Amino acid sequence: EAEVAQSPRYKITEKSQAVAFWCDPISGHATRYWYRQILGQGPELLVQFQDESVVDDSQLPKDRFSAERLKGVDSTLKIQPAELGDSAMYLCASSFLGTVNTEAFFGQGTRLTVV
Amino acid sequence: DAKTTQPTSMDCAEGRAANLPCNHSTISGNEYVYWYRQIHSQGPQYIIHGLKNNETNEMASLIITEDRKSSTLILPHATLRDTAVYYCIVRPLGTSYDKVIFGPGTSLSVIP
Repeated sequence: EAEVAQSPRYKITEKSQAVAFWCDPISGHATRYWYRQILGQGPELLVQFQDESVVDDSQLPKDRFSAERLKGVDSTLKIQPAELGDSAMYLCASSFLGTVNTEAFFGQGTRLTVV
Repeated sequence: DAKTTQPTSMDCAEGRAANLPCNHSTISGNEYVYWYRQIHSQGPQYIIHGLKNNETNEMASLIITEDRKSSTLILPHATLRDTAVYYCIVRPLGTSYDKVIFGPGTSLSVIP
């Protein structure tokens, strides 16, 4: 079964450093998502792409976060500079566009710890 | 913002049916009800979805009330592996407003 791949699985970084996460979504999925999940809470949508366009990035802290979805390939989420409050799980997901087979498939996530 | 409300936590005895409720009183006619679950330290996993008819698959059953303002996810024979956080989500499929927005979910503990 196809899976959403994320790396690294764990990342420890010092505050003020730059950090990047990589996601390889399921082939053919036009919709891509990045979520942040703080311990004990549900995932929070940071950015949603439709093909190469950003559909929603209203919750993305744009002064330090950036997300990119390369055509037909993978997606990256970058934080620069990292702050202590950015410690969380970062999840990538993808899905088909439309009204059938639209369930979002999630990766295992990247657990970020900022020290 | 999440458009659903769920109990914070529930317990269920192993082997019994787990019935997880969800209220979505402001659901629109084009919004589907989706359920996901998240086992500790893993990404969320899709379970089932429906519009207005009851649905069943190999994992669970989804019962949606006639007025569509609430639904119940049923795990017919809960096992210890079903211990997870369960999220109920409404989505306007096929529209530009389609997003997968999570609330806090229900933490289900299956007890031996």
